[in-house]
Amino acid sequence: GAVVSQHPSWVICKSGTSVKIECRSLDFQATTMFWYRQFPKQSLMLMATSNEGSKATYEQGVEKDKFLINHASLTLSTLTVTSAHPEDSSFYICSASGLAGGQETQYFGPGTRLLVL
Amino acid sequence: QKEVEQDPGPLSVPEGAIVSLNCTYSNSAFQYFMWYRQYSRKGPELLMYTYSSGNKEDGRFTAQVDKSSKYISLFIRDSQPSDSATYLCAMSNFGNEKLTFGTGTRLTIIP
Repeated sequence: GAVVSQHPSWVICKSGTSVKIECRSLDFQATTMFWYRQFPKQSLMLMATSNEGSKATYEQGVEKDKFLINHASLTLSTLTVTSAHPEDSSFYICSASGLAGGQETQYFGPGTRLLVL
Repeated sequence: QKEVEQDPGPLSVPEGAIVSLNCTYSNSAFQYFMWYRQYSRKGPELLMYTYSSGNKEDGRFTAQVDKSSKYISLFIRDSQPSDSATYLCAMSNFGNEKLTFGTGTRLTIIP
């Protein structure tokens, strides 16, 4: 149990285009989902917290107009990187907060590798 | 000072050895303590989950939490090359809150 999927697993796009990443909790309902960014050999950096049916809460320094988050259902959240630039190239990971096996914590997706040319 | 301190390593041990990974923290409100394992280019995988102080064992893995010392540990017995990964400690006040992570320890098990 507690499976979280992400799609796509990797994407290459041209500078100026927008990219949408999906995060799904497959076998549990997640009222809260989190979006992280990770640079090579560094820990996870929380970008935003997404609650179903409400606006996302962004961490300091994260541009909400740049990284659009939608959490339309209890099993799906999306992150859209708008007008992507090479500095947005990174590993993006989502997590879903839920109760599985008596443990209420965050379960992570496999990540999406974004390369902006 | 960071809220959670974790030695980044790298840590290399021979196959079969006991591995000890540790984190210290400063926020006494933390109640939930997790260890995640992350392989290169993959998302973190929940390894151990502990609420409040105490020990928890799962196969070759044992997690310990000492809230009085604000210190948590993960022990890996009979370490295998497949245990080579980055291990992240994480903690929160409540189960569904955002996590505070350590920097991660890169572990290599040498065959």
